Amino acid sequence: KAGVTQTPRYLIKTRGQQVTLSCSPISGHRSVSWYQQTPGQGLQFLFEYFSETQRNKGNFPGRFSGRQFSNSRSEMNVSTLELGDSALYLCASSLPLAGGSYEQYFGPGTRLTVT
Amino acid sequence: AQTVTQSQPEMSVQEAETVTLSCTYDTSENNYYLFWYKQPPSRQMILVIRQEAYKQQNATENRFSVNFQKAAKSFSLKISDSQLGDTAMYFCAFMKPNAGGTSYGKLTFGQGTILTVHP
Repeated sequence: KAGVTQTPRYLIKTRGQQVTLSCSPISGHRSVSWYQQTPGQGLQFLFEYFSETQRNKGNFPGRFSGRQFSNSRSEMNVSTLELGDSALYLCASSLPLAGGSYEQYFGPGTRLTVT
Repeated sequence: AQTVTQSQPEMSVQEAETVTLSCTYDTSENNYYLFWYKQPPSRQMILVIRQEAYKQQNATENRFSVNFQKAAKSFSLKISDSQLGDTAMYFCAFMKPNAGGTSYGKLTFGQGTILTVHP
């Protein structure tokens, strides 16, 4: 099976602009989670989608939003970009485990630089 | 809220030797899952090993094994016969089972340990 794909891989934006990142999960995986990775804050959970519904959200401002399509592909959007949004954004495709947990497989990430 | 702590920012080991990375966590949950992920310089996050809290037996995957001490809330990773390709940042992560909608798809990560394997 093909792995998780994320596009674009690299992105440079200017403060105040908005950006959309895309994630295609492993075929058959219906849950997609997004994470932000920065040197200062480490890996932080943004949100999770399952069957086109957001089921969980991390502690990020409303400028961060997402959605999931019927084919399980997901997008996240960041509006009014700030310098602090510069980060590696990782998408994870989940395989459910017995007992109610998930095993997450990550994409290569999108490196966003805000200038 | 759960927290995960990796107290070793950096570690180094000689090729073919064994190294242990430490992880402690804090939770009031009785059932949960613990993971070790590896992030090499390519930044691709790779699942190394998984441990279910309800299992007393420690998980093993080839050269990788864990020492899971539930009472002590400790979850260390042992890498045997270290190889140059093991050079990476290693993250310990915690996940609660899905219950009540507050934990869906959410991994809580430690700060990471940079492991360098020297030839």
